[in-house]
Amino acid sequence: GAGVSQSPRYKVAKRGQDVALRCDPISGHVSLFWYQQALGQGPEFLTYFQNEAQLDKSGLPSDRFFAERPEGSVSTLKIQRTQQEDSAVYLCASSQLAASSYNEQFFGPGTRLTVL
Amino acid sequence: SQKIEQNSEALNIQEGKTATLTCNYTNYSPAYLQWYRQDPGRGPVFLLLIRENEKEKRKERLKVTFDTTLKQSLFHITASQPADSATYLCALESYGGSQGNLIFGKGTKLSVKP
Repeated sequence: GAGVSQSPRYKVAKRGQDVALRCDPISGHVSLFWYQQALGQGPEFLTYFQNEAQLDKSGLPSDRFFAERPEGSVSTLKIQRTQQEDSAVYLCASSQLAASSYNEQFFGPGTRLTVL
Repeated sequence: SQKIEQNSEALNIQEGKTATLTCNYTNYSPAYLQWYRQDPGRGPVFLLLIRENEKEKRKERLKVTFDTTLKQSLFHITASQPADSATYLCALESYGGSQGNLIFGKGTKLSVKP
């Protein structure tokens, strides 16, 4: 595709509900990242995939957060039993190569999650 | 732990002037630093990457410097235009994390007045 796409763009959930956020990276990109961005803050790293392998999940804030990329392309970030503090914009980014410090990351538009 | 500071939350300048944004970091020396632009409701867009052995890098009206002694990067936009109004984020690689994992500053919101 032309760029990274994410769906839904907006999600409102009641506290305690489970949500699933989808990311379609640029075709052929090996690396995929998820970030969380609170209002007025910069993005904060959540997790990283190289193809289908989740190589780093050190940024996931709790075991309620789970991410997968089963076929090495589309990725889903799942949040179980959502809490108000989970309200944020969730950004997905992809980059062309694997495990390289010098690749630019291409970001999607984000999913704005609001937990009531 | 690593820390990035962008010391201005907001910067207002007049069209045609040069905007200078500052990014300071502490606690380790990254191999590179990146700058991104973010517009409201959109994801960040990559602008420039500068490596630790590069003092300066330019791209059209943009210039980035990287002083590893001061642990500081400066981002300049010359001949600024209202269309340059956006939030600018600096980011560096996360030490000890997966390569490519970035740590971002809070960003500086630039407003260019006509």
